[in-house]
Amino acid sequence: EPEVTQTPSHQVTQMGQEVILRCVPISNHLYFYWYRQILGQKVEFLVSFYNNEISEKSEIFDDQFSVERPDGSNFTLKIRSTKLEDSAMYFCASSSDRVTSTDTQYFGPGTRLTVL
Amino acid sequence: AQSVTQLDSHVSVSEGTPVLLRCNYSSSYSPSLFWYVQHPNKGLQLLLKYTSAATLVKGINGFEAEFKKSETSFHLTKPSAHMSDAAEYFCVVSGAGSYQLTFGKGTKLSVIP
Repeated sequence: EPEVTQTPSHQVTQMGQEVILRCVPISNHLYFYWYRQILGQKVEFLVSFYNNEISEKSEIFDDQFSVERPDGSNFTLKIRSTKLEDSAMYFCASSSDRVTSTDTQYFGPGTRLTVL
Repeated sequence: AQSVTQLDSHVSVSEGTPVLLRCNYSSSYSPSLFWYVQHPNKGLQLLLKYTSAATLVKGINGFEAEFKKSETSFHLTKPSAHMSDAAEYFCVVSGAGSYQLTFGKGTKLSVIP
């Protein structure tokens, strides 16, 4: 069964450093998402991406964050200058090409980001 | 705006007994509702989803959920718990015109042998 994969599984970085989290969505999907979960808190939506553009973003997704689909398979989340409060589990998700908000989002296993 | 409240942060059941995980939602639109499960060190796996068809939704691994509009609830049930059901369960809502999923805080299910 096709699945979303994410690398690395755990990333440790120093405050102020840039990090790039990588995701490989399911191959025939066209909608891509990032969510995060700070320890002990809810999973929160960050951004959705379609046709090489951001289609929705939350208040959390400020200028420190960016997303990119650099090639036909990868989808990345970049944090330009990490802060302590960016420490969280980051989940990538993808959904199929049907234009409906009821379509199922399939999630990857997550990348745990620790900012020291 | 939409929100989800999972009424229990932790539920503990004995193996072979029924499971009930409670969820209430709030949405300005006719919502789509989902239950996801997360096993330790694994991703979020879809258990089932409601999208305005039948109000009783059957999912994987014997789970089902009933959409009750009058109660704004979407509780998850299973007749007989198995050890492999031990995991964290998330109730999730999405609204019309948005791809953003809104998650509840999660309910950790423990299954006692």
